[in-house]
Amino acid sequence: GENVEQHPSTLSVQEGDSAVIKCTYSDSASNYFPWYKQELGKRPQLIIDIRSNVGEKKDQRIAVTLNKTAKHFSLHITETQPEDSAVYFCAARGFQKLVFGTGTRLLVSP
Amino acid sequence: GAGVSQSPSNKVTEKGKDVELRCDPISGHTALYWYRQSLGQGLEFLIYFQGNSAPDKSGLPSDRFSAERTGGSVSTLTIQRTQQEDSAVYLCASSPSPGTSGGEQYFGPGTRLTVT
Repeated sequence: GENVEQHPSTLSVQEGDSAVIKCTYSDSASNYFPWYKQELGKRPQLIIDIRSNVGEKKDQRIAVTLNKTAKHFSLHITETQPEDSAVYFCAARGFQKLVFGTGTRLLVSP
Repeated sequence: GAGVSQSPSNKVTEKGKDVELRCDPISGHTALYWYRQSLGQGLEFLIYFQGNSAPDKSGLPSDRFSAERTGGSVSTLTIQRTQQEDSAVYLCASSPSPGTSGGEQYFGPGTRLTVT
């Protein structure tokens, strides 16, 4: 089955800096790669996703890139703000269940 | 429209008692997942239902845990003879069938279980 690895486990940046979180997956049949943000005490919320027919997708300050050959995908947050502080989860899915990474705790300091 | 709902939102139970947690998925979603999340930890997969297929139970931590999904909609997670280490937030999520054009997974608000 699918296996998703996520790095780093924690990431501290200064406000205004960029943050990058990386994930790798094992199943070459996976074709859907969402990213979730979980704020303290709340449920995970989908923030952006990408499908295997595109290599990059942007939404304001966040972007996701996908390299199907290398089986890795990344989340990029530019101009970070304190409200970006949260735990971020990547995930991958083909025609079976969605599999999550272990999460990255992002702390943005003012 | 209505999102994923879970009940109860909080449950306190004594060690050794059985508990049932309920999940109402988004209407029309064929896939339903249960996860467990301990404080400050990641999402621990428990069980996955997809349509009429046999559920993927590979994440259930012991035979004290079971789940069913009736009529392809509502799901109940049952924990028998609860232990203190079962204390966590139990999250339910649903999504359309894998491979459909959408496919986004939506989480419910969770049930916080405390075993005393």
